[in-house]
Amino acid sequence: TQLLEQSPQFLSIQEGENLTVYCNSSSVFSSLQWYRQEPGEGPVLLVTVVTGGEVKKLKRLTFQFGDARKDSSLHITAAQPGDTGLYLCAGSKAAGNKLTFGGGTRVLVKP
Amino acid sequence: ETGVTQSPTHLIKTRGQQVTLRCSSQSGHNTVSWYQQALGQGPQFIFQYYREEENGRGNFPPRFSGLQFPNYSSELNVNALELDDSALYLCASSARDRAYGYTFGSGTRLTVV
Repeated sequence: TQLLEQSPQFLSIQEGENLTVYCNSSSVFSSLQWYRQEPGEGPVLLVTVVTGGEVKKLKRLTFQFGDARKDSSLHITAAQPGDTGLYLCAGSKAAGNKLTFGGGTRVLVKP
Repeated sequence: ETGVTQSPTHLIKTRGQQVTLRCSSQSGHNTVSWYQQALGQGPQFIFQYYREEENGRGNFPPRFSGLQFPNYSSELNVNALELDDSALYLCASSARDRAYGYTFGSGTRLTVV
């Protein structure tokens, strides 16, 4: 059983469309991280959110941490083929502690 | 600043054999964590090492063991390999006194036949 549930599991969209990936849990985390992973590579950190209700923007990517620190979302505006990859959310109960990962959302952006 | 380096990149082993995977942590990082990522799934925490001692372990049997060396590099050893051990093994380093800064290596793809 995944402590962190990601939805959807797979998303296929056309270039220029928007998309949102969700990460939900019944547990409270002190931080939530989002990673992107490409085939044959390790996950690359995109952002860390630590405050309930926090919103962070990274160019076309917007990350939100839920008020209760149990859920998060990643929104991509005007997706590009370069956004294709596996998006993983990961929660930590405390700084320096292990990461608990969601099952991942595979995003395919078609040109 | 060098990143996290893992070796080998790919490995094929026979069921019942033993394997050792290696990880060099990022400069300035003193903590190493290992994760197992099965195909199509998110990574699962195996264990973490800090100051050469195990500092947290996930739900993995004792045949998964590790070491951390004084230079903060680390090894993951798996004995009596099973077919289900086939996965991408990821190493992540971090600095204990800095919150949430994890850097992952590219992983070792282990195939058990």
